Amino acid sequence: KAGVTQTPRYLIKTRGQQVTLSCSPISGHRSVSWYQQTPGQGLQFLFEYFSETQRNKGNFPGRFSGRQFSNSRSEMNVSTLELGDSALYLCASSTSGTVTQYFGPGTRLLVL
Amino acid sequence: KNEVEQSPQNLTAQEGEFITINCSYSVGISALHWLQQHPGGGIVSLFMLSSGKKKHGRLIATINIQEKHSSLHITASHPRDSAVYICAVSENYGGSQGNLIFGKGTKLSVKP
Repeated sequence: KAGVTQTPRYLIKTRGQQVTLSCSPISGHRSVSWYQQTPGQGLQFLFEYFSETQRNKGNFPGRFSGRQFSNSRSEMNVSTLELGDSALYLCASSTSGTVTQYFGPGTRLLVL
Repeated sequence: KNEVEQSPQNLTAQEGEFITINCSYSVGISALHWLQQHPGGGIVSLFMLSSGKKKHGRLIATINIQEKHSSLHITASHPRDSAVYICAVSENYGGSQGNLIFGKGTKLSVKP
């Protein structure tokens, strides 16, 4: 089975722009979670989608949003980018009813 | 105080040594995870525990639910074990299990 894929892998944006990141889960996985990793804060939970519904959300401003499509692929969007949004964004997928998560390689975002 | 605390933050060992990384948490959990992150960012899930002990090759993970403590042991350490090891918990509040709370990680360096 193919693993979790994320696109793009690297991205450079400027302050004020918006960005969309994509995550394709392992086939058959219906849950997709998104995480932000920074040197200062470490790994932090952004949100989780299950069957196209946001099931849980972390403590991030409304500039961070996401969605999930019927094929379980997920996107996250960050509007009005700030310098502090520079981070590695990871998504992870899991099957319904389990908590073992399989992580993608991440998208490294640099905001200038 | 962080909800998930790891110790030590950094660890240097000689090849062949027995290594222990500790994790303490302060919330009710449904499961505890040990993750491995290599330089470059990719995260691999090593163990998911809700009780007792699990072993995979040279890695052993234990959890004591009453004491809210888990340990990850590496026997006969090897330079390829050099990575950041992250403890994470799935908080038990009856809702989604798709979000994790992470420790800050333990950076392990194994010298030949």
